[in-house]
Amino acid sequence: AQSVTQPDIHITVSEGASLELRCNYSYGATPYLFWYVQSPGQGLQLLLKYFSGDTLVQGIKGFEAEFKRSQSSFNLRKPSVHWSDAAEYFCAVGANNDMRFGAGTRLTVKP
Amino acid sequence: DAGVTQSPTHLIKTRGQQVTLRCSPKSGHDTVSWYQQALGQGPQFIFQYYEEEERQRGNFPDRFSGHQFPNYSSELNVNALLLGDSALYLCASSFNNSPLHFGNGTRLTVT
Repeated sequence: AQSVTQPDIHITVSEGASLELRCNYSYGATPYLFWYVQSPGQGLQLLLKYFSGDTLVQGIKGFEAEFKRSQSSFNLRKPSVHWSDAAEYFCAVGANNDMRFGAGTRLTVKP
Repeated sequence: DAGVTQSPTHLIKTRGQQVTLRCSPKSGHDTVSWYQQALGQGPQFIFQYYEEEERQRGNFPDRFSGHQFPNYSSELNVNALLLGDSALYLCASSFNNSPLHFGNGTRLTVT
C-alpha cells in the first residue's frame, strides 16, 4: 500500500537560511511524487512534481526537490527562506485517482 | 480564468444532520476529487468523479456520497453527521491526469 511519512511535524528556520523538509514514501511501482503548500485557511498549491526523468526537479517560489529511489525519499529544499514561506507543506505520492498525503510539516520563519 | 471554487466556505451542522458541499472545477478540467482534512493532518482521499461516475473511492463509509453533473461540477453529501466529520473538505480538479488543482475548501463543524 502506498503511504507517505513526513518525519518533522514543525520546523523553525531563520529568514535567509536554507531549508530542507523530509519526505519518505512507500509505493509499489515508480511513484508520482508531489509537494504542496497550504497557507492558513487556504487550499493546497502545487510546488513541484516528479513523474520520471531528471531526479532533481525545480518548482515555483525557488523550491526544488530530489527523488532518491534508494532511500525512498523526496526531500524539498530551498537555499534561502523568505518570511512568506511560512506555511504547511505536504508531500504526496500516487496517481490522481488515489493520491496519499503525508501529515504535513509546519514551517515557521524567524525574522 | 477561475480556479476551483467551493461553497459554502463555512458550515455548522448538528450531529445526525445531512450536509451537501459543492465544487466547480477549474475551467477545462473534467475530473473532480474530494478530500477530508482533519485538523493537524494531511488530506485524506474520499472519492473521485469522472464522466459523472465514481471512479475511485478511499476508505470512507457509505454515509459519504457524491455526484458529478454534466458541466463537471460536483457535490459531496454526508449523511448522519458525526462529531468526527468536522474537518476541512477540499475539492480538487484535474484533466487527463494533470496535477490536482485544489479549492480553498469548506470548513464543516459538527456540534
